[in-house]
Amino acid sequence: GQSLEQPSEVTAVEGAIVQINCTYQTSGFYGLSWYQQHDGGAPTFLSYNALDGLEETGRFSSFLSRSDSYGYLLLQELQMKDSASYFCAVNQAGTALIFGKGTTLSVSS
Amino acid sequence: DVKVTQSSRYLVKRTGEKVFLECVQDMDHENMFWYRQDPGLGLRLIYFSYDVKMKEKGDIPEGYSVSREKKERFSLILESASTNQTSMYLCASSTTRDTEAFFGQGTRLTVV
Repeated sequence: GQSLEQPSEVTAVEGAIVQINCTYQTSGFYGLSWYQQHDGGAPTFLSYNALDGLEETGRFSSFLSRSDSYGYLLLQELQMKDSASYFCAVNQAGTALIFGKGTTLSVSS
Repeated sequence: DVKVTQSSRYLVKRTGEKVFLECVQDMDHENMFWYRQDPGLGLRLIYFSYDVKMKEKGDIPEGYSVSREKKERFSLILESASTNQTSMYLCASSTTRDTEAFFGQGTRLTVV
């Protein structure tokens, strides 16, 4: 079978750093993606890791360890607008995209 | 800009009706996906297609079928709608070479 585990909720204050972890168990693993979804909106792509290591895109970074079947999304200098749901997703055999249940991030002032 | 368009934003149907949800993408993407999203359950894959007339079952295909007669269009069909199919339905597309999937705005279906 396949499964992805991530925390259901995370809270933080503006300016803080937050790490959202994701562990996965799947076959045909190609890479790990992260998506952001605001209330009432569509999921939008944030990052993708195919190889071990850290990928940085502005305030957001994503990390992957294939040997540990583990990754995380790191959000720095948090802003109120970062309040959203964040989903890790496994790119499987280049076609199917399997999502975790999502982490709701609440940023307060 | 890549655009994935779902035919309806909100839909109310009666139990037992046959329901069609349409999705069109304008970027010549090979892959198209249908997900349903429910609170606390994330996005669950119903079906996906990697080419015209090709389809693969996802994690929860029961009660659904799909059709892909043209590359740009992927339809989700509820053969006989039931109340437990009340949900948000999201369509997405991607290229075979690309890692990014683009989502439509979703169709909130209520079955009464």
